[in-house]
Amino acid sequence: GAVVSQHPSRVICKSGTSVKIECRSLDFQATTMFWYRQFPKQSLMLMATSNEGSKATYEQGVEKDKFLINHASLTLSTLTVTSAHPEDSSFYICSAQGQGGDEQYFGPGTRLTVT
Amino acid sequence: KNQVEQSPQSLIILEGKNCTLQCNYTVSPFSNLRWYKQDTGRGPVSLTIMTFSENTKSNGRYTATLDADTKQSSLHITASQLSDSASYICVVTHGGFQKLVFGTGTRLLVSP
Repeated sequence: GAVVSQHPSRVICKSGTSVKIECRSLDFQATTMFWYRQFPKQSLMLMATSNEGSKATYEQGVEKDKFLINHASLTLSTLTVTSAHPEDSSFYICSAQGQGGDEQYFGPGTRLTVT
Repeated sequence: KNQVEQSPQSLIILEGKNCTLQCNYTVSPFSNLRWYKQDTGRGPVSLTIMTFSENTKSNGRYTATLDADTKQSSLHITASQLSDSASYICVVTHGGFQKLVFGTGTRLLVSP
């Protein structure tokens, strides 16, 4: 139980283009989803928290207009990196939290490379 | 400042040997502490979770301890296997904001 998937697992895009990453909770309803970014040999850094049906809350220093988050259903959240630049290249990980619980279940991550 | 520090940063051990990873935290108020295993290029997978009143918890060959007084935790791996090679991350939940504070991890390499 408590499986979270991400799609795609890897994506390479050209500078200036936009990329959408999907995060799905496969066997439970996720009232809250979290998006993290992880640079090589560093820990996960929280980018934003999203609750189903409402606007995401972004961490300080994260540009909300650049990293668009949509959490339209209890099983799906999307992160769109707009006008991507090489410095956006990173490992993006989502996690999902069910109603009434504080356990976060992590997805397998998406490796984004911007050329 | 709410921080989680782990040591060592990296570790190489021979297959079959035991090892212990350390975690010190300054997160307050404290809600719980988790140890995760993260394989390269994958998301973290939970190994153990401990609340304030728990001193030890096991999950197979993994045993975590918690000393809430000294704000220290350890993860002991017994009879290591090649598949244990991964990063091990200590994560403390901030009791007030309910946010996860991540350690930088210990990269473990188990060699044959």
